Amino acid sequence: DQQVKQNSPSLSVQEGRISILNCDYTNSMFDYFLWYKKYPAEGPTFLISISSIKDKNEDGRFTVFLNKSAKHLSLHIVPSQPGDSAVYFCAVSEYGNKLVFGAGTILRVKS
Amino acid sequence: ETGVTQSPTHLIKTRGQQVTLRCSSQSGHNTVSWYQQALGQGPQFIFQYYREEENGRGNFPPRFSGLQFPNYSSELNVNALELDDSALYLCASSLDRGASYNEQFFGPGTRLTVL
Repeated sequence: DQQVKQNSPSLSVQEGRISILNCDYTNSMFDYFLWYKKYPAEGPTFLISISSIKDKNEDGRFTVFLNKSAKHLSLHIVPSQPGDSAVYFCAVSEYGNKLVFGAGTILRVKS
Repeated sequence: ETGVTQSPTHLIKTRGQQVTLRCSSQSGHNTVSWYQQALGQGPQFIFQYYREEENGRGNFPPRFSGLQFPNYSSELNVNALELDDSALYLCASSLDRGASYNEQFFGPGTRLTVL
């Protein structure tokens, strides 16, 4: 039973436009939410996170939104750049030591 | 500062064999976690080691075992390999400061193919 779901396997966006990646989770007890980015032949790299006590966190072009009542997490990238093309994983931290990942969304930013 | 490294990069084994994958943690980190990423899926937590003791385990059978050494390098051992064990194995290190979440830094992974 998937605890973290990314329902869009892929997303294609024009350079300069907004990319919105979505994630749903099932357990309301999760307290820390993260986005990781992965390029081919590399390990996932941390992008941005948010704790359950917040509903928004910004870092440059990246903003993560958390809707606890809907158990929904989203990542906005504005403006999107070709170098953002990668696989994006949503993850939740369970009991501080275990990350539970979604299946990932492939983002393609077209120039 | 040296990042997380893993060896080997690729490995091919046959069903029933045993394999050992290695991970060198980022300098100063005391915790290592191992994940299995099957094709088209996200990484799945196998287990975590903190100061050489297992500190949490995912839904993997006992034939998946691990070690963490005093220098905080780590090994993942898999016995009696099955075809479904074919995957990318990721190691992640972190510094446990007792916070609710301690950022994990991933290595590039070892691609294991079981024939």
